[in-house]
Amino acid sequence: DAGITQSPRYKITETGRQVTLMCHQTWSHSYMFWYRQDLGHGLRLIYYSAAADITDKGEVPDGYVVSRSKTENFPLTLESATRSQTSVYFCASSELAGEFYEQYFGPGTRLTVT
Amino acid sequence: GESVGLHLPTLSVQEGDNSIINCAYSNSASDYFIWYKQESGKGPQFIIDIRSNMDKRQGQRVTVLLNKTVKHLSLQIAATQPGDSAVYFCADSFGNEKLTFGTGTRLTIIP
Repeated sequence: DAGITQSPRYKITETGRQVTLMCHQTWSHSYMFWYRQDLGHGLRLIYYSAAADITDKGEVPDGYVVSRSKTENFPLTLESATRSQTSVYFCASSELAGEFYEQYFGPGTRLTVT
Repeated sequence: GESVGLHLPTLSVQEGDNSIINCAYSNSASDYFIWYKQESGKGPQFIIDIRSNMDKRQGQRVTVLLNKTVKHLSLQIAATQPGDSAVYFCADSFGNEKLTFGTGTRLTIIP
């Protein structure tokens, strides 16, 4: 049972370049999320998706683009990377469990923008 | 805006003692609360959750207490072990699938 995976695990890119972070889940969960984690800010929601072809902005969406053509994949693209986007990125998925949603996280991608 | 916060950024506990990690939330309408554990280099891992209609919930060596009067949440870890060293996050949600996370408390176990 692979669960939720992210690739690459580490990425170094230059300012202005486009970079895509991949997220794949094997549970067929409806919801998927992208967070960034920075010291002093905890986890902040970038984008989320309720189902294939349905996405919505989170707390910090500027500079990011997402798509969800298939339920199991939820890639995050930085169209023109900036140094302020240096962070650890976590993907998560969730499904209704009883009355509430339990989120399960991937291992993260550490992105450095030089 | 509404937020979930933690009282202390770091906590050091002697191995074998009990740990208590606190969390304050501001949204009185929040109806679901979760504690996550994050070890170095890994993603957050679900520990325990509690609904707003409960005051206490116990798991294996962990207990979550919810005080809605003062909007306070705590995580108690019994007989702390070296493997409990991690950053602990609380999170809440209000009627939907999105969670709001606190900034985290780093728990260090002293041998």
